[in-house]
Amino acid sequence: RKEVEQDPGPFNVPEGATVAFNCTYSNSASQSFFWYRQDCRKEPKLLMSVYSSGNEDGRFTAQLNRASQYISLLIRDSKLSDSATYLCVVGAGGTSYGKLTFGQGTILTVHP
Amino acid sequence: GAGVSQSPSNKVTEKGKDVELRCDPISGHTALYWYRQSLGQGLEFLIYFQGNSAPDKSGLPSDRFSAERTGGSVSTLTIQRTQQEDSAVYLCASSIRGSNQPQHFGDGTRLSIL
Repeated sequence: RKEVEQDPGPFNVPEGATVAFNCTYSNSASQSFFWYRQDCRKEPKLLMSVYSSGNEDGRFTAQLNRASQYISLLIRDSKLSDSATYLCVVGAGGTSYGKLTFGQGTILTVHP
Repeated sequence: GAGVSQSPSNKVTEKGKDVELRCDPISGHTALYWYRQSLGQGLEFLIYFQGNSAPDKSGLPSDRFSAERTGGSVSTLTIQRTQQEDSAVYLCASSIRGSNQPQHFGDGTRLSIL
């Protein structure tokens, strides 16, 4: 089982749609959680951190369920510019403190 | 301010040659990571440096791969006797100490083995 698993997609949605991505992680001792975005042939960039209570940043909402070891990202009112690969990222605790593990990514295409 | 800097941005070399890739992290970032990404694939963790601690080398795919970090700053990733399957983008990232801190990535080195 992979440490961080995501549905690879692709997700193809029209502008204005709401889309949700899911991610599961295997290490219950994980301590930090992020969503990154990667555009084609570019480096990954931080989209948002994910907090236990859930958090929102404009059209983006992230949720964390530690009991189920599950993370989600919701994008409302999709824009063409949201087209990218979305990476779920989990930070280790314990002896591997500081190490981040990336999921394979979920591809999103927003069309007119 | 300056971000993570990687060099060269592109490297084309013949199979069997050695290559050295360089990463200059953001000043003050004690954690440094190397990843590689093949075309259309996710990020593959290679190695992680945190301060003066022994590096986590668990992701290095073979003994042809090695990395150093001198003076807690610049890092070099060396691939010996390169093979065609080593062709990928090699990404370096740095972060402030602590796994609750996000990573900042360089633009990567695109390595092509002929």
